[in-house]
Parts: sequence; C-alpha cells; structure tokens
Amino acid sequence: EAQVTQNPRYLITVTGKKLTVTCSQNMNHEYMSWYRQDPGLGLRQIYYSMNVEVTDKGDVPEGYKVSRKEKRNFPLILESPSPNQTSLYFCASSPLKAGGRNQPQHFGDGTRLSIL
Amino acid sequence: DAKTTQPNSMESNEEEPVHLPCNHSTISGTDYIHWYRQLPSQGPEYVIHGLTSNVNNRMASLAIAEDRKSSTLILHRATLRDAAVYYCILRVLLNYGGSQGNLIFGKGTKLSVKP
Repeated sequence: EAQVTQNPRYLITVTGKKLTVTCSQNMNHEYMSWYRQDPGLGLRQIYYSMNVEVTDKGDVPEGYKVSRKEKRNFPLILESPSPNQTSLYFCASSPLKAGGRNQPQHFGDGTRLSIL
Repeated sequence: DAKTTQPNSMESNEEEPVHLPCNHSTISGTDYIHWYRQLPSQGPEYVIHGLTSNVNNRMASLAIAEDRKSSTLILHRATLRDAAVYYCILRVLLNYGGSQGNLIFGKGTKLSVKP
C-alpha cells in the first residue's frame, strides 16, 4: 500500500532534549516536505526536499533541521526543542515530473509533539 | 504564491450537493488550482486540481470560472464522512528546483454535514 509513515505518532518530552521525527515513503517520490499545524495558523511549511541531498527552507524553519540521505526518508530533527515547537507535524511526499506537471502530495497521519 | 479566499465555514445536509467557493483574483496564467481536505485527526488529503477546464473525479468536481479568478469545488452528494476542512490552494507550474512545488495552505472552509 502506498503510504507516508511518520514515527512517533505522539511524543511528550522536555525542553532541550534532542528528538527526531522520522518520515518514510514507499512511492519512490522525489519531493518531500514537513509542515506544522497550529490552531489559528493553519498548516505552515518547515522544510522541503526536491531530491536526495537537496533541501531548502520553508516558511518556518527556525529551530529545525532536516536531512535527505536516502530517497525514501526525510527525518525532522529538533536539536534543542522548546515549548513553542509544541505542535502537530505532517510529512508529505509527491513525485516530480519533467515538463512542469503538478502532482498531488501524499500526507502522513501526523505526529503530535508536546514540549514541556 | 497567489492568495486564495474562502468562507470560514459552511453547512450542508446529508445527500445534498455542496458548492465550496474560492476566490483567487491574483492568479497567474500558469497557476494550478488545487483542493485538499483534512478530516478530523488526519493529514490533508488530495481532492482534485485543474488549470482552466472543469475537472471531474471520483471524489468531486471542480468548476473554474472563465477568467480563472474563482473556482468552486462541488461535492455531488454530501455524506457525513465529507465533514472536513477544505483548502483551496494555488500552485505554480512545477519545475525542477526552486520552490514551485510547494503548497501554501490558507485557513480553508470548515464543512459541517447534518444528517
């Protein structure tokens, strides 16, 4: 089954303790992206990647890191989490095709992070 | 990315058609119109997209105004499972490199479906 898998689904942790949220897709998609969703602010993009070793900042990248060493994985790293990073996080992927055609993005089920 | 404007909320009765409007007066000639929806406690889900012509798929229809400054997502027979937040998004023509592949979500329209 084609899917985007995020882990963990829920995490409660403390300020300053490094954490990684994993994202994996089995569709051989080139494009992957991370979003956070907060009440009243909607979905905002954190980082995205157009392919292996190609990443770029989205609208709210501060406090986050990403890496794209393999095509299927796009982990989100919080080196020193703070309470303002408490949020619902979504990973997404889509194929990139030459010729400019738009492709739908496939989203994971989300990771709810609570930073105390 | 160009901005879209949607009503904050709408209500519908089950098994009736629903027309969800979206205004995008600053759309450029190569921007695609995308619709996603987010059911409670789930990630966003692709619904449909189009450029100029009306589009149909198994989930919905997309009607695009002739001047492309507005569009309407049509759910032909709403069910309780269609209760969700619906996002209308403009996405520039995709190229390799740059940020053209990104989705910029607005606040969306929260659709309630009454039995």
